[in-house]
Amino acid sequence: VQLVQSGAEVKKPGASVKVSCKASGYTFTTYPINWVRQAPGQGLEWMGRIRVSHGMTKSSQRLQGRVTMTTDTSTNTAYMELRSLTSDDTAVYYCAKSRGVMGGSFDFWGQGTLVTVSS
Amino acid sequence: QSALTQPASVSGSPGQSITISCTGTSSAIGGSYLVSWYQHSPGKAPKLVIYDDIKRPSGVSVRFSGFKSGNTASLTISGLQAEDEADYYCCSFGVNIDVIFGGGTKLTVL
Repeated sequence: VQLVQSGAEVKKPGASVKVSCKASGYTFTTYPINWVRQAPGQGLEWMGRIRVSHGMTKSSQRLQGRVTMTTDTSTNTAYMELRSLTSDDTAVYYCAKSRGVMGGSFDFWGQGTLVTVSS
Repeated sequence: QSALTQPASVSGSPGQSITISCTGTSSAIGGSYLVSWYQHSPGKAPKLVIYDDIKRPSGVSVRFSGFKSGNTASLTISGLQAEDEADYYCCSFGVNIDVIFGGGTKLTVL
């Protein structure tokens, strides 16, 4: 199993960012993909998950309305778009595969994508 | 502020055992909620070391063990090694609720 994320991004406040996560080594549609971020000096924060099989998403209450999670099953790629960026969104963003088909713990992670929000 | 509380730091000498606690409310960790633990070293992706409260993934050292009782979960690392030095996070899952991470605990191997 491998999750490979897109490269680092630098964005201005108010802009949007879209991070990709290409999966391999397992049946992509079987397990949810989650997004987790870590701001500098802070802990891990769960952003949301998408059940790849039917596209159903659940985002954290804190980010609801600003984050969109999608997948492209033809390329086994998941995407996370975050809108209306502020400096507080500067963080390393990870995708992570759920261990169970309904969710649960995260058994494989991408390498992380640094998103820097700066004017 | 996280709904799961962990000590900010713990330390131990090589060969010793340490335990990291993770305490939450009944709506965050008790009953049917499942707890997992992650090891996170700087510059690396987090690594799952315990899932479903007490289970250890394939390939994770038997020195790692998990426990949960009521609203408190714990991670014990026995026979501490230098390579265990990292940040450790507990995480709680429930059906159709937000996933919650603890604030993280920095483990120092003296």
